Amino acid sequence: KNEVEQSPQNLTAQEGEFITINCSYSVGISALHWLQQHPGGGIVSLFMLSSGKKKHGRLIATINIQEKHSSLHITASHPRDSAVYICAVRIQGAQKLVFGQGTRLTINP
Amino acid sequence: DGGITQSPKYLFRKEGQNVTLSCEQNLNHDAMYWYRQDPGQGLRLIYYSQIVNDFQKGDIAEGYSVSREKKESFPLTVTSAQKNPTAFYLCASSPGTSGTGSYNEQFFGPGTRLTVL
Repeated sequence: KNEVEQSPQNLTAQEGEFITINCSYSVGISALHWLQQHPGGGIVSLFMLSSGKKKHGRLIATINIQEKHSSLHITASHPRDSAVYICAVRIQGAQKLVFGQGTRLTINP
Repeated sequence: DGGITQSPKYLFRKEGQNVTLSCEQNLNHDAMYWYRQDPGQGLRLIYYSQIVNDFQKGDIAEGYSVSREKKESFPLTVTSAQKNPTAFYLCASSPGTSGTGSYNEQFFGPGTRLTVL
């Protein structure tokens, strides 16, 4: 079993819908990252959080440390939000990140 | 503009040849990383470096080598010993690797897609 599991693996929605992507992990962590990868392959860091909730524009990330779970929400989704969203965790005491497999999001106009 | 540069974006090589992928950053970051991405899999760490002239093996270092002679540069060589080198390679950097908060946040380059024929 992977240390970081994302769901769903693929998600297709219509423009304007509220989107939720989930990330569960099985290890103690010091931080959790949400990343966005566009079709060209480059990766952009969206959020890094260790507790609570962060908001940036239409994106919201939450984390529940006790339940070892994080969610990424997109409000008023738009076709330009179509990308692969990746959850990654920094394991406590370790330097490296452990990555989920990613969620491929497609927003249709 | 500050950022991470990887070149080229696409690279083709014949089987049995070594190939070096470049990664340069002008963010003044101490730490740099190389990841490999295969379809349907999460990113996997190949090597990382916390400081100049020092580097550590990641989870899949076999068949790869790196050097860190300058703070801004962390080239990755894919050797002929790497059994399945065709993949997408991503370089990243962070201000450091210890402590908390933004000190550990990683910034990624655009990636190099390597195809071995």
